[in-house]
Amino acid sequence: SAVISQKPSRDICQRGTSLTIQCQVDSQVTMMFWYRQQPGQSLTLIATANQGSEATYESGFVIDKFPISRPNLTFSTLTVSNMSPEDSSIYLCSATSGGTINTGELFFGEGSRLTVL
Amino acid sequence: AQSVAQPEDQVNVAEGNPLTVKCTYSVSGNPYLFWYVQYPNRGLQFLLKYITGDNLVKGSYGFEAEFNKSQTSFHLKKPSALVSDSALYFCAVRDLNYGGATNKLIFGTGTLLAVQP
Repeated sequence: SAVISQKPSRDICQRGTSLTIQCQVDSQVTMMFWYRQQPGQSLTLIATANQGSEATYESGFVIDKFPISRPNLTFSTLTVSNMSPEDSSIYLCSATSGGTINTGELFFGEGSRLTVL
Repeated sequence: AQSVAQPEDQVNVAEGNPLTVKCTYSVSGNPYLFWYVQYPNRGLQFLLKYITGDNLVKGSYGFEAEFNKSQTSFHLKKPSALVSDSALYFCAVRDLNYGGATNKLIFGTGTLLAVQP
């Protein structure tokens, strides 16, 4: 298994500002993902963080709004740009390791709860 | 399209009684199915998965799930509920049609389990 740490765990932000969330995994993982969990809703995949190249975004999410970096196999960042109250959500980092890549099991961080005023 | 449905927003059960959290799925081909649990202010934790083999899958914390192909269901069960089981439970299916990451999971809307003492 993999232990995933995210920071900040929570933050209150002003409209129009940007915030970067960091995700650190305790072991080298094959794939890293970013999910969004809006209040009272399920998880929605934002993008797959690709090491050393541009992230792969899901429909409805764009790089300008959610730039993602993944400089190595254990670290990724998600930036929420030009925030509005609609961006208030929990943002979850997840990863899969070599033993689970073929079965689909994901490990999750504890999430970063953002509130935009 | 692959999907999962959790028909109950909330399930209430008395401590010591058996519990069932329902999940039905819609996939083309053989499904990879998962259950995750989310405790308050925490990330998701993996409970169990069905890939192939025995229809009854045992997981963490005494939970089990039964894969029923004819009913396209994967209900989560526990013989005797604990107050500490109170949490949000998500069913998920691996998106086999996803052309990118092989580990994209599609999550249900979640079921809040409330166990009363």
